[in-house]
Amino acid sequence: QSALTQPASVSGSPGQSITIPCTGSNNDIGGLNIVSWYQQHPGKAPKLMIFGVTERPSGASSRFSGSKSGNTAYLTISTLQAEDEADYYCWSYASGNILVVGGGTRLTVL
Amino acid sequence: QVQVVESGGALVQPGQSLRLSCAASGFTFSDYGFHWVRQAPGKGLEWMTLISYNGRERYYADSVKGRFTISRDNSEKSLYLQMHSLRAEDTAVYYCARALGGSGSYLWAPLDWGQGTMVTVSS
Repeated sequence: QSALTQPASVSGSPGQSITIPCTGSNNDIGGLNIVSWYQQHPGKAPKLMIFGVTERPSGASSRFSGSKSGNTAYLTISTLQAEDEADYYCWSYASGNILVVGGGTRLTVL
Repeated sequence: QVQVVESGGALVQPGQSLRLSCAASGFTFSDYGFHWVRQAPGKGLEWMTLISYNGRERYYADSVKGRFTISRDNSEKSLYLQMHSLRAEDTAVYYCARALGGSGSYLWAPLDWGQGTMVTVSS
Protein backbone atom coordinates (compact mmCIF):
# COMPACT_ATOMS: atom_id res chain seq x y z
CA GLN A 1 0.00 0.00 0.00
CA SER A 2 1.49 3.31 -1.13
CA ALA A 3 1.69 6.32 1.14
CA LEU A 4 0.43 8.56 -1.69
CA THR A 5 -2.76 7.77 -3.59
CA GLN A 6 -3.02 8.06 -7.36
CA PRO A 7 -5.68 6.73 -9.74
CA ALA A 8 -4.56 3.50 -11.35
CA SER A 9 -5.32 4.80 -14.82
CA VAL A 10 -6.38 7.85 -16.78
CA SER A 11 -6.94 8.37 -20.48
CA GLY A 12 -7.32 11.14 -22.98
CA SER A 13 -7.36 11.82 -26.68
CA PRO A 14 -4.57 13.55 -28.59
CA GLY A 15 -4.79 17.31 -28.18
CA GLN A 16 -6.76 17.12 -24.94
CA SER A 17 -5.51 17.93 -21.44
CA ILE A 18 -5.51 15.55 -18.49
CA THR A 19 -4.80 15.97 -14.80
CA ILE A 20 -3.49 13.29 -12.45
CA PRO A 21 -4.14 13.84 -8.73
CA CYS A 22 -1.90 12.56 -5.97
CA THR A 23 -3.30 12.62 -2.46
CA GLY A 24 -1.23 12.47 0.69
CA SER A 25 -1.40 14.00 4.13
CA ASN A 26 -0.16 16.87 6.28
CA ASN A 27 2.96 14.78 6.89
CA ASP A 28 4.02 14.75 3.27
CA ILE A 29 2.43 16.71 0.40
CA GLY A 30 0.71 19.15 2.72
CA GLY A 31 3.82 19.78 4.77
CA LEU A 32 6.47 21.12 2.39
CA ASN A 33 6.72 21.98 -1.30
CA ILE A 34 8.95 19.02 -2.08
CA VAL A 35 6.80 17.13 -4.57
CA SER A 36 8.09 15.58 -7.77
CA TRP A 37 6.54 13.79 -10.73
CA TYR A 38 8.19 11.09 -12.84
CA GLN A 39 7.33 9.63 -16.21
CA GLN A 40 8.30 6.04 -16.97
CA HIS A 41 7.93 4.30 -20.29
CA PRO A 42 7.91 0.47 -20.30
CA GLY A 43 11.36 -0.97 -19.79
CA LYS A 44 12.92 2.46 -19.31
CA ALA A 45 14.27 4.42 -16.37
CA PRO A 46 12.03 7.09 -14.83
CA LYS A 47 12.36 10.68 -16.03
CA LEU A 48 11.86 13.71 -13.79
CA MET A 49 9.12 15.95 -15.18
CA ILE A 50 8.29 18.23 -12.22
CA PHE A 51 10.08 19.07 -8.95
CA GLY A 52 9.33 21.49 -6.14
CA VAL A 53 5.59 21.12 -6.97
CA THR A 54 5.70 23.42 -9.99
CA GLU A 55 9.24 23.53 -11.40
CA ARG A 56 10.26 21.91 -14.66
CA PRO A 57 13.81 20.60 -15.09
CA SER A 58 15.74 21.24 -18.24
CA GLY A 59 14.56 18.85 -20.93
CA ALA A 60 11.02 18.39 -19.65
CA SER A 61 8.29 19.47 -22.03
CA SER A 62 6.45 22.72 -21.24
CA ARG A 63 3.21 20.81 -21.77
CA PHE A 64 3.74 19.36 -18.29
CA SER A 65 2.83 21.43 -15.25
CA GLY A 66 2.40 20.81 -11.55
CA SER A 67 0.32 22.32 -8.77
CA LYS A 68 -0.81 21.63 -5.22
CA SER A 69 -3.82 22.30 -3.07
CA GLY A 70 -3.74 21.24 0.54
CA ASN A 71 -2.69 17.60 0.73
CA THR A 72 -3.17 16.89 -2.98
CA ALA A 73 -0.68 17.49 -5.78
CA TYR A 74 -1.60 17.55 -9.45
CA LEU A 75 0.19 16.83 -12.70
CA THR A 76 -1.40 18.36 -15.78
CA ILE A 77 -0.42 17.39 -19.30
CA SER A 78 -1.76 19.67 -21.99
CA THR A 79 -2.12 18.97 -25.71
CA LEU A 80 -1.74 15.21 -25.23
CA GLN A 81 0.55 13.40 -27.63
CA ALA A 82 0.98 9.70 -28.29
CA GLU A 83 4.48 9.80 -26.73
CA ASP A 84 2.95 10.85 -23.39
CA GLU A 85 1.53 7.35 -22.94
CA ALA A 86 3.45 6.06 -19.91
CA ASP A 87 3.27 5.49 -16.16
CA TYR A 88 3.41 8.55 -13.92
CA TYR A 89 4.53 8.57 -10.29
CA CYS A 90 4.25 11.30 -7.68
CA TRP A 91 6.89 11.59 -4.94
CA SER A 92 6.94 13.67 -1.80
CA TYR A 93 9.26 14.38 1.08
CA ALA A 94 7.65 13.15 4.29
CA SER A 95 8.26 13.82 7.95
CA GLY A 96 10.96 11.61 9.34
CA ASN A 97 13.26 12.42 6.42
CA ILE A 98 11.93 9.90 3.95
CA LEU A 99 10.51 9.98 0.46
CA VAL A 100 7.09 8.51 -0.18
CA VAL A 101 5.85 7.46 -3.59
CA GLY A 102 2.45 7.04 -5.19
CA GLY A 103 1.39 3.73 -6.68
CA GLY A 104 1.59 5.10 -10.20
CA THR A 105 -0.94 6.09 -12.86
CA ARG A 106 -1.04 4.52 -16.31
CA LEU A 107 -1.84 7.18 -18.92
CA THR A 108 -3.43 5.89 -22.10
CA VAL A 109 -3.62 8.14 -25.13
CA LEU A 110 -6.68 7.02 -27.06
CA GLN B 1 27.09 14.21 -20.74
CA VAL B 2 25.77 12.90 -17.45
CA GLN B 3 26.05 9.13 -17.05
CA VAL B 4 25.01 6.94 -14.16
CA VAL B 5 25.73 3.21 -14.46
CA GLU B 6 24.76 0.57 -11.92
CA SER B 7 26.44 -2.81 -11.55
CA GLY B 8 26.58 -5.76 -9.19
CA GLY B 9 23.12 -7.22 -9.63
CA ALA B 10 22.95 -11.00 -9.31
CA LEU B 11 20.95 -14.05 -8.34
CA VAL B 12 21.45 -14.71 -4.63
CA GLN B 13 19.89 -16.98 -2.04
CA PRO B 14 17.71 -15.71 0.82
CA GLY B 15 19.80 -14.50 3.72
CA GLN B 16 22.84 -13.69 1.61
CA SER B 17 24.50 -10.31 1.10
CA LEU B 18 25.22 -8.30 -2.04
CA ARG B 19 26.87 -4.98 -2.83
CA LEU B 20 25.72 -2.81 -5.70
CA SER B 21 27.87 -0.11 -7.25
CA CYS B 22 27.07 2.99 -9.24
CA ALA B 23 29.65 4.79 -11.38
CA ALA B 24 28.96 8.38 -12.37
CA SER B 25 30.53 10.74 -14.89
CA GLY B 26 29.90 13.98 -16.73
CA PHE B 27 29.54 16.19 -13.63
CA THR B 28 31.28 17.02 -10.34
CA PHE B 29 30.39 13.91 -8.35
CA SER B 30 31.11 15.42 -4.94
CA ASP B 31 28.55 18.22 -5.47
CA TYR B 32 25.50 15.97 -5.62
CA GLY B 33 23.44 13.67 -3.48
CA PHE B 34 22.36 10.25 -4.68
CA HIS B 35 19.45 7.88 -4.27
CA TRP B 36 18.80 4.18 -4.60
CA VAL B 37 15.33 3.30 -5.84
CA ARG B 38 13.99 -0.13 -6.73
CA GLN B 39 11.17 -1.55 -8.79
CA ALA B 40 9.90 -5.10 -8.34
CA PRO B 41 8.80 -6.87 -11.54
CA GLY B 42 5.52 -5.38 -12.74
CA LYS B 43 5.28 -3.08 -9.70
CA GLY B 44 5.77 0.59 -8.93
CA LEU B 45 8.81 2.53 -7.81
CA GLU B 46 10.02 2.26 -4.23
CA TRP B 47 12.45 4.75 -2.74
CA MET B 48 15.03 3.09 -0.48
CA THR B 49 17.76 5.48 0.59
CA LEU B 50 19.68 8.67 -0.13
CA ILE B 51 23.05 10.19 0.75
CA SER B 52 24.05 13.84 0.71
CA TYR B 53 26.98 15.24 -1.23
CA ASN B 54 29.43 14.76 1.64
CA GLY B 55 27.94 11.58 3.07
CA ARG B 56 26.93 13.21 6.35
CA GLU B 57 23.22 12.79 5.73
CA ARG B 58 21.89 9.31 5.06
CA TYR B 59 18.23 8.39 5.20
CA TYR B 60 16.45 5.08 4.73
CA ALA B 61 12.99 3.73 4.09
CA ASP B 62 11.67 1.55 6.90
CA SER B 63 11.63 -1.45 4.57
CA VAL B 64 15.45 -1.50 4.35
CA LYS B 65 16.61 0.28 7.49
CA GLY B 66 19.08 -1.86 9.39
CA ARG B 67 19.67 -4.22 6.45
CA PHE B 68 20.92 -1.88 3.70
CA THR B 69 23.70 0.72 3.91
CA ILE B 70 24.37 3.49 1.41
CA SER B 71 27.87 4.90 1.03
CA ARG B 72 29.96 6.88 -1.41
CA ASP B 73 33.58 7.39 -2.37
CA ASN B 74 33.98 10.85 -3.86
CA SER B 75 37.56 10.13 -4.93
CA GLU B 76 36.33 7.18 -6.98
CA LYS B 77 33.12 8.94 -8.13
CA SER B 78 31.19 5.92 -6.97
CA LEU B 79 28.10 5.13 -4.94
CA TYR B 80 27.42 1.86 -3.18
CA LEU B 81 24.54 -0.08 -1.66
CA GLN B 82 25.47 -2.85 0.74
CA MET B 83 22.56 -5.24 1.23
CA HIS B 84 22.35 -7.87 3.96
CA SER B 85 19.82 -10.54 4.93
CA LEU B 86 18.23 -10.46 1.50
CA ARG B 87 14.65 -11.66 1.13
CA ALA B 88 12.52 -12.77 -1.79
CA GLU B 89 10.67 -9.44 -1.61
CA ASP B 90 13.95 -7.61 -2.32
CA THR B 91 13.84 -8.97 -5.87
CA ALA B 92 13.76 -5.93 -8.13
CA VAL B 93 15.57 -3.70 -10.56
CA TYR B 94 17.75 -1.36 -8.51
CA TYR B 95 18.28 2.16 -9.82
CA CYS B 96 20.92 4.65 -8.84
CA ALA B 97 19.91 8.28 -9.36
CA ARG B 98 21.71 11.59 -9.01
CA ALA B 99 19.76 14.20 -7.06
CA LEU B 100 19.07 17.72 -8.27
CA GLY B 101 21.56 18.99 -5.71
CA GLY B 102 23.75 18.06 -2.81
CA SER B 103 21.69 19.17 0.16
CA GLY B 104 18.49 20.90 1.18
CA SER B 105 15.32 20.54 -0.86
CA TYR B 106 17.23 19.70 -4.06
CA LEU B 107 18.54 16.57 -2.37
CA TRP B 108 15.05 15.07 -2.37
CA ALA B 109 14.45 14.94 -6.12
CA PRO B 110 16.29 12.25 -8.09
CA LEU B 111 17.14 13.70 -11.49
CA ASP B 112 19.44 11.50 -13.58
CA TRP B 113 18.81 7.77 -13.44
CA GLY B 114 20.82 4.78 -14.56
CA GLN B 115 19.28 1.89 -16.46
CA GLY B 116 19.19 -0.29 -13.36
CA THR B 117 20.68 -3.59 -12.26
CA MET B 118 18.61 -6.68 -11.49
CA VAL B 119 18.73 -8.38 -8.12
CA THR B 120 16.97 -11.72 -7.77
CA VAL B 121 16.62 -13.36 -4.39
CA SER B 122 15.61 -16.99 -4.73
CA SER B 123 16.62 -20.41 -3.52
